[in-house]
Amino acid sequence: IVLTQSPGTLSLSPGERATLSCRASQSVTSTQFVWYQQKPHQPPRLLIYQTSTRAAGVPDRFSAGGSGTDFTLTISRLEPEDFAVYYCQQYNNPPLTFGGGTRVEIK
Amino acid sequence: QVQLQESGPGLVKPWETLSLTCSVSGGSVSDHYWNWIRQSPGKGLEWIGYTHYTGNTYYNPALRSRVTLSVDTSKNQISLRVSSLTAADTAVYYCAKWAVFNAFDIWGQGTMVTVS
Repeated sequence: IVLTQSPGTLSLSPGERATLSCRASQSVTSTQFVWYQQKPHQPPRLLIYQTSTRAAGVPDRFSAGGSGTDFTLTISRLEPEDFAVYYCQQYNNPPLTFGGGTRVEIK
Repeated sequence: QVQLQESGPGLVKPWETLSLTCSVSGGSVSDHYWNWIRQSPGKGLEWIGYTHYTGNTYYNPALRSRVTLSVDTSKNQISLRVSSLTAADTAVYYCAKWAVFNAFDIWGQGTMVTVS
């Protein structure tokens, strides 16, 4: 399953709302869809699992949803520490695949 | 809390075999499924495969012919071997724990491998 993330880059200011999209080439079961955040020189950090459940310690300004082939990650009000690259991931069918990432940068 | 630490040579020659180790602390390697993921410089993430101490292993078809994963319960380590290396294998290699809720919840810091 190919995951296509859009946009490639999102230029926003702190306090603004960010909406990131991930589209799958085939339907993905909601329990098999995940979002990660990655900052420079760090490994990815689990943000959201099973489409919409925040991982431990993830602030509630992060929310996510979707079904089938269309999934969305929303950051309600960007904080300085949220500027990073975000990846979606599926394991509905092996092989497990990641999207190409969306970079959220400071405008 | 489980912690992971990858180790291995930073530089390998083309056509050689890469061997990396992921040391597990704060938990038993027998308790979970373990994965390797790599990230080429400036690029996205590529899943390599998973392994379990029972021998249950699955490889990404794109790499299956060149990759071997294994678990050493005596050392509490997971190992990755990649053969017939090319420059395209240059990447940061991560080990990661697979959580019961179907996601990678713990990652190592990664180890950079350059093929040159």
